Amino acid sequence: RKEVEQDPGPFNVPEGATVAFNCTYSNSASQSFFWYRQDCRKEPKLLMSVYSSGNEDGRFTAQLNRASQYISLLIRDSKLSDSATYLCVVNSFGNQGGKLIFGQGTELSVKP
Amino acid sequence: NAGVMQNPRHLVRRRGQEARLRCSPMKGHSHVYWYRQLPEEGLKFMVYLQKENIIDESGMPKERFSAEFPKEGPSILRIQQVVRGDSAAYFCASSPFARSTTNEKLFFGSGTQLSVL
Repeated sequence: RKEVEQDPGPFNVPEGATVAFNCTYSNSASQSFFWYRQDCRKEPKLLMSVYSSGNEDGRFTAQLNRASQYISLLIRDSKLSDSATYLCVVNSFGNQGGKLIFGQGTELSVKP
Repeated sequence: NAGVMQNPRHLVRRRGQEARLRCSPMKGHSHVYWYRQLPEEGLKFMVYLQKENIIDESGMPKERFSAEFPKEGPSILRIQQVVRGDSAAYFCASSPFARSTTNEKLFFGSGTQLSVL
């Protein structure tokens, strides 16, 4: 089983749609969680951290369910510029401290 | 404050040659990570280094791959006797924090695309 698993995608949605991405992680000791965005295999860029209470940043809402080891990202009123691959990232702790484990990514394509 | 700098952006090698990838972390960052992204796959952790020390190389292939982060100069990821399967994007990231912190965020370089002919 992969440490971090995401919806395979791709997601093709019209402008203005609401889209949700799901992610599960296997290491219950994981402490911190993030969503990164990657455009055309360029460098990943941090989109937002994910907190237990859930957090929102404009049109983006992230949720964390520690009991289910599940993370989600909701994008409302999607824009053409939201087209990218979204990476679920978990800080997985082991004997040598934490390291960021990336999911394989979910591709989003927003169409006019 | 310049970001994480990687060079070259693109590197073409023939099978059996050596590839050297360079990464200069952001100013003030002493923690460097290397990730590899194969076509159609996510980023895979390779190695974590602090100045002059390899802290975690659990993601490095056992042979042909090595990494260093000297006291002076950039971090180097070295691949000897490259094979076609080494073709990938190699990303370097840096952080000012030790890896034991829980709110670690990484700042990525633009990556080096290695193509092995």
